[in-house]
Amino acid sequence: DIQMTQSPSSLSASIGDRVTITCQASQDISNYLNWYQQKPGKAPKLLIFDASNLETGVPSRFSGSGSGTDFTFTISSLQPEDIATYYCQQYDNLWTFGQGTKVEIK
Amino acid sequence: QVHLVESGGGVVQPGRSLRLSCAASAFSFTSYAMHWVRQAPGKGLEWVAVISNDGNKKYYADSVKGRFTISRDNSKNTLYLQMNSLRAEDTAVYYCAKDLVISVSGTSLESYWGQGTLVIVSA
Repeated sequence: DIQMTQSPSSLSASIGDRVTITCQASQDISNYLNWYQQKPGKAPKLLIFDASNLETGVPSRFSGSGSGTDFTFTISSLQPEDIATYYCQQYDNLWTFGQGTKVEIK
Repeated sequence: QVHLVESGGGVVQPGRSLRLSCAASAFSFTSYAMHWVRQAPGKGLEWVAVISNDGNKKYYADSVKGRFTISRDNSKNTLYLQMNSLRAEDTAVYYCAKDLVISVSGTSLESYWGQGTLVIVSA
């Protein structure tokens, strides 16, 4: 089974700050890595697919990078509506999610 | 627009069974594998099971293997999750999700999830 290690588990940042979340896979998953945003009571929403591709309709302040085992998700300028929990997901072999990162406003 | 609607959740005693359903519409259900993902209260997302488009291949998370069974009825565009020997730790919102497939344009991975159905395992 592929394990995903995501960090940090939570972070607090100011509006306009750059926010970075990392995810590490237990084995090479190429670029089969997605990033989701989840708000309370809602299903997850896909933001970034295949490590670095912006899903249609998602604001360009969201971005992703990486390949193999190490991946990064960035919000270039945090907005109030970005308050949510973010998850990485591998889909190279079945699905596995990271533990999640709760993003709060400082 | 792809639509997935889960049902069948509720309160059940430990050791009992429950069957969840997921009604799919507005896409070619028979062409896609389907997944169940769950989320315990205040916790993260946990993948539960996947079934191939024709129902012949099924894979499970270790935490549910031997207790849960995923199935589908392609004539009814419906996905199921039979949950037996339920435990308190199975308490969660259960989501069905369409498998991830890149769009023709290459600009979307076409991720679709239902709204979830809550299962509470409690005496």
